[in-house]
Amino acid sequence: GQQVMQIPQYQHVQEGEDFTTYCNSSTTLSNIQWYKQRPGGHPVFLIQLVKSGEVKKQKRLTFQFGEAKKNSSLHITATQTTDVGTYFCAGPVGNMLTFGGGTRLMVKP
Amino acid sequence: SAVISQKPSRDICQRGTSLTIQCQVDSQVTMMFWYRQQPGQSLTLIATANQGSEATYESGFVIDKFPISRPNLTFSTLTVSNMSPEDSSIYLCSVGTGRWETQYFGPGTRLLVL
Repeated sequence: GQQVMQIPQYQHVQEGEDFTTYCNSSTTLSNIQWYKQRPGGHPVFLIQLVKSGEVKKQKRLTFQFGEAKKNSSLHITATQTTDVGTYFCAGPVGNMLTFGGGTRLMVKP
Repeated sequence: SAVISQKPSRDICQRGTSLTIQCQVDSQVTMMFWYRQQPGQSLTLIATANQGSEATYESGFVIDKFPISRPNLTFSTLTVSNMSPEDSSIYLCSVGTGRWETQYFGPGTRLLVL
């Protein structure tokens, strides 16, 4: 079964509200990656986290890697309509990079 | 990062036919991959395209259905053979330095099979 899981599957927010998506793995990950796919587009790499407890920021986006390296989160502060899309986490599981199911973010202006 | 192009960008095909998708990278890359993304779903790795040798297929994907070529370090093709409506998906090529490393995706080929 799926070994990298994301919640929620969908999220509607009002523009200006915060948004968080969570990623969980059944196994310890050597790294976690995050991608964004705009509607009609292709996945675009955002960031990679490697260290236990690591926190990285990109403007309004904050990425965290859990202490046990089994979970991660992406938090967007004060969402904008440009944040619309599906956010995927991905981690090395077995012999491949395994993608989570994604969280689709919709922002109401 | 590398610039990746795919042809065609989209196609509508009849069941039973085959479609070959091309992926071109503007620089030599170590690893090239082919993914499938079914409507509203996540990405599933089909295979790793190996330069000069047979592709490495993931569980559930076979060479007869998805033959792959990689004649050099900048180009690969994926053929979707004997298509059925269940093959309607986005097919994405990607490049990376390793199987577990950051993936850079092409723009995708949106396939609809009638």
